[in-house]
Amino acid sequence: DGGITQSPKYLFRKEGQNVTLSCEQNLNHDAMYWYRQDPGQGLRLIYYSQIVNDFQKGDIAEGYSVSREKKESFPLTVTSAQKNPTAFYLCASGRGTGRNYGYTFGSGTRLTVV
Amino acid sequence: AQKITQTQPGMFVQEKEAVTLDCTYDTSDQSYGLFWYKQPSSGEMIFLIYQGSYDEQNATEGRYSLNFQKARKSANLVISASQLGDSAMYFCAMSSGYSTLTFGKGTMLLVSP
Repeated sequence: DGGITQSPKYLFRKEGQNVTLSCEQNLNHDAMYWYRQDPGQGLRLIYYSQIVNDFQKGDIAEGYSVSREKKESFPLTVTSAQKNPTAFYLCASGRGTGRNYGYTFGSGTRLTVV
Repeated sequence: AQKITQTQPGMFVQEKEAVTLDCTYDTSDQSYGLFWYKQPSSGEMIFLIYQGSYDEQNATEGRYSLNFQKARKSANLVISASQLGDSAMYFCAMSSGYSTLTFGKGTMLLVSP
């Protein structure tokens, strides 16, 4: 079955460490997205990519980095520069960016700084 | 810039009753799409229903319908005959032009027996 796989489901990070969250899709979607979810905040866009080897910053990109070397994969690195990284991270993919295109989401990664 | 407002942090409904979750939006674009997603406690986001700004009929998907009032800029989700499994967080979202999806802050729905 086609879908999006995020791993790990839970991740613990020590302060000062970089961590990478994995996101893989087999839906043949061109566009991929990373959102951050905090309690009471809804979903906020971190980065998105509409094509391989290209990506754009979202509303809260500071302290994060991404790469898009393959169509299927869009990993997110939470760097030590991200001051408050504890949150729920959701990866999504879609056929395009625009009014007609909804997204398919992964099951999320819960990151906790210890 | 586009904005989604969900004014109900939480809603309660009894099983088998209908419930309406409110959503208002703001955009200067004439062409846009409105979406509703459900997020159970497991965390995944499940697509429920879509309404295009030029669609003349209100969208329906099984027990879900979208009450689209363009002049009021509202896109309320109606769930008929609520079930216990409908207890979840519900998000309204919008995309206009070539923009990415913008989400509201969500409404927590609890369905009681």
